[in-house]
Amino acid sequence: QVQLVESGGGVVQPGRSLRLSCGASGFIFTGYGMHWVRQAPGKGLEWVGVISYDGIRKVYGDSVKGRFTISRDNSKNTLYLQMNSLRTDDTAVYYCAKDASPGAITYLDNWGQGTLVTVSS
Amino acid sequence: DIQMTQSPSTLSAFVGDRVTITCRASQIIGTWLAWYQQKPGKGPKLLIYKASTSESGVPSRFSGSGSGTEFTLIISSLQPDDFATYYCQHYNSYPWTFGQGTKVEIK
Repeated sequence: QVQLVESGGGVVQPGRSLRLSCGASGFIFTGYGMHWVRQAPGKGLEWVGVISYDGIRKVYGDSVKGRFTISRDNSKNTLYLQMNSLRTDDTAVYYCAKDASPGAITYLDNWGQGTLVTVSS
Repeated sequence: DIQMTQSPSTLSAFVGDRVTITCRASQIIGTWLAWYQQKPGKGPKLLIYKASTSESGVPSRFSGSGSGTEFTLIISSLQPDDFATYYCQHYNSYPWTFGQGTKVEIK
């Protein structure tokens, strides 16, 4: 079965950087687009961005554009989220999620359990 | 950006009740809409995609309908396992956006 396991969360000071990872198994990782979605404590879901199956196309939400970078290593079945210039309002649980259709960008059919990032001085 | 507005924000219901959650998009999105269920401390779970297609393994009491800008998620007979928060999400164009969520509580 599909498994997505996020890691790398923790407490970081404002202005610093952090990199999250998402290990994938149970499906052909190289065939699917992958997304990051975040959820601030007690709040709703916010789409962060997407990377295409081949890593060529990337699209970001407005609130993270220019600060966050999504990448993937298809040889390691791993998705990454590099977060720079972190702000207190980036505090959230970060989920990685798998796109449902191979080679396309559609909806999200599998999600990880999330990793908490706390930005605080 | 397309705004997604869900109603109600909170819903109290009894086991066995029929529950209806509405999602409205600020622009026409065809049927490019998904519904998710989230329980505390867990990642969301896909219930419905393309507005009305049930994900494999989802109980038949969950159904979705709508197109354009108005969408509905119906739980035909609420079960104890269904108490959770539900989100709609469009995938018509980037950026994707979610509704603010509907929390279904026990009455």
